[in-house]
Amino acid sequence: EAQVTQNPRYLITVTGKKLTVTCSQNMNHEYMSWYRQDPGLGLRQIYYSMNVEVTDKGDVPEGYKVSRKEKRNFPLILESPSPNQTSLYFCASSLREGPYEQYFGPGTRLTVT
Amino acid sequence: GDSVTQMEGPVTLSEEAFLTINCTYTATGYPSLFWYVQYPGEGLQLLLKATKADDKGSNKGFEATYRKETTSFHLEKGSVQVSDSAVYFCALGLGGSEKLVFGKGTKLTVNP
Repeated sequence: EAQVTQNPRYLITVTGKKLTVTCSQNMNHEYMSWYRQDPGLGLRQIYYSMNVEVTDKGDVPEGYKVSRKEKRNFPLILESPSPNQTSLYFCASSLREGPYEQYFGPGTRLTVT
Repeated sequence: GDSVTQMEGPVTLSEEAFLTINCTYTATGYPSLFWYVQYPGEGLQLLLKATKADDKGSNKGFEATYRKETTSFHLEKGSVQVSDSAVYFCALGLGGSEKLVFGKGTKLTVNP
């Protein structure tokens, strides 16, 4: 089954404790992206990757890091989480040369206390 | 810059009512337009799309027509069901770019 998976689905952590949210897709997509969803703000892009070893900032990259060492994986790293990063996070992927349909993961709800 | 504006919710309807969710956009160039749906507890999934002016996207009884003259892509359904309760996002994508620009979402609740 074609899908994007994220782990964990739910995470409660404390300020300053480094964490990683994993994202994996099995569709051989070149393009992957991270979004955060906040009430009244919709979805905002954090980082994206056009292919292995190629990443770039989206609209709200502050406080986040990403890496793309393999085509299927695109982890999101919060080196020192803060309460304003409490949000619902989505990973998505698509073919390149789009805009093609983006496939979304189920989401990770992060709470930083 | 490129942006999408959609009607604010929440929208509450009775089963079998007619649904319209308005969406307008601002874009340089000629975007493709999308409606995504997010059911409770799930990620977004594509509902329908249109890639050029006057195209009509349709799926699951929902329709939207790409209107270049009014820069709009309104979502409609003739008879909603309880199972249509979800958040609906309008989005645009520019040719040659994979990036999608989303509206803020409209929450729809359908009561039996």
